[in-house]
Order: sequence, then structure tokens, then C-alpha cells
Amino acid sequence: AAGVIQSPRHLIKEKRETATLKCYPIPRHDTVYWYQQGPGQDPQFLISFYEKMQSDKGSIPDRFSAQQFSDYHSELNMSSLELGDSALYFCASSYHSSGTAIYEQYFGPGTRLTVT
Amino acid sequence: AQKVTQAQTEISVVEKEDVTLDCVYETRDTTYYLFWYKQPPSGELVFLIRRNSFDEQNEISGRYSWNFQKSTSSFNFTITASQVVDSAVYFCALSERGSSNTGKLIFGQGTTLQVKP
Repeated sequence: AAGVIQSPRHLIKEKRETATLKCYPIPRHDTVYWYQQGPGQDPQFLISFYEKMQSDKGSIPDRFSAQQFSDYHSELNMSSLELGDSALYFCASSYHSSGTAIYEQYFGPGTRLTVT
Repeated sequence: AQKVTQAQTEISVVEKEDVTLDCVYETRDTTYYLFWYKQPPSGELVFLIRRNSFDEQNEISGRYSWNFQKSTSSFNFTITASQVVDSAVYFCALSERGSSNTGKLIFGQGTTLQVKP
């Protein structure tokens, strides 16, 4: 079965540089989520999209922006990178949660970002 | 406010032992879902189970079982006859329906399980 695809898998950037992370959801999944996981920590919700519209926003720095495109893939853009942005960034996809139903999210392999 | 607590930071067992991972949650919502994810050393997050707040039936899947008790706000996970391949970080997560029902997950701190041969 097709899984969530993330690229690149590893990324090394210097401080103040920019980075773009890409996510391709599971086919027919219309909702995309982004999470950040620091070393030894639990994943923290950043932002989510449904039908190309932002549906929720968590603890995402103003230096970060994201969007979902017409083919449902999503990109997370990170500018003015700081050392503290070094983390594992996960994208997850699911069917749209509506009414009382909340569907499970399937996670990609993650992008490991290292800022030096 | 929603919160998930996994009080056990690390657990070490010997292969074939049974082990239970605890999860306690807080929510004001009457409609919510609970999840367990496994994160092996390779780093990916693997979905294990989803349970809604209206279904308190316990579930068994092979060596895995889950005990959901609303009265104690707990959703515990038991691995029977543990194996070395079960070594991983296990996360419990909560998603509230809320006013917008966006499905975002709030994770617990995770429990690192080490199964020794």
C-alpha cells in the first residue's frame, strides 16, 4: 500500500538559510498535518490543511509557512533557520475528520533537518 | 485543556515477559479519540490503534491489547510475550472533536520500551 512520501529525508542547512520540506499524502487522503519532533521529545503539531485550506495551527513559528496544493501535496517553508529548528519533521495524512469522526493519521518517514 | 501523560519514561523487560504501558489523558470534550503509535529506532511513526470515546470495549490484536477506561481516563497498552522487535518508543495520543474537529494529535511524552533477549 502507498504510504506518505516526504522529501528530502535529510537536510543540512546553515543558520539564517531557508529550507523547503515536501510531503505527498496517501492517495485519496485530503488532510495533511505537519509535526516537529525535537530530540527525545514527542511530536508537536505545527499546522494542518484540508482541501488546500489551512484547518488548524499549532506552535508554528512565524518564520515557517506552509501550503497545500491542488494535487494535495504540501510544502513546509522554513526561513531564517535557527539552531533550535534542528529536528525531525513529520508529515501525516488522513481522511478528513468531520462530524464526530476523527480518523487515524499515517505518518511519513520524516525529514531530519540539521541546522549548523 | 487537553493533555496526555505517560508516566513511565523507560521500561526494560526480558523477552517473553508481558508489559503494560500506561496512558492517562485529560480532556473536557465528550467526543474524542485516543491513539497509540510506535516509533522504532529507525524513526518512523507507526499507527497501532484508534479508539473513540464512546467505545470502551477492550481490543486485542495478536500480542497487543488495549484497555480503555473512561472512569479513570486511561488507555493502557499491553504487549504479551514481548519480543526484541517490540523495542521502540510508544506514544499515546489524543484528538478532541472540539469546535473545529481538525483531528490534530496531542502526544504524550512517550515510553521507551527495551526488550532484552
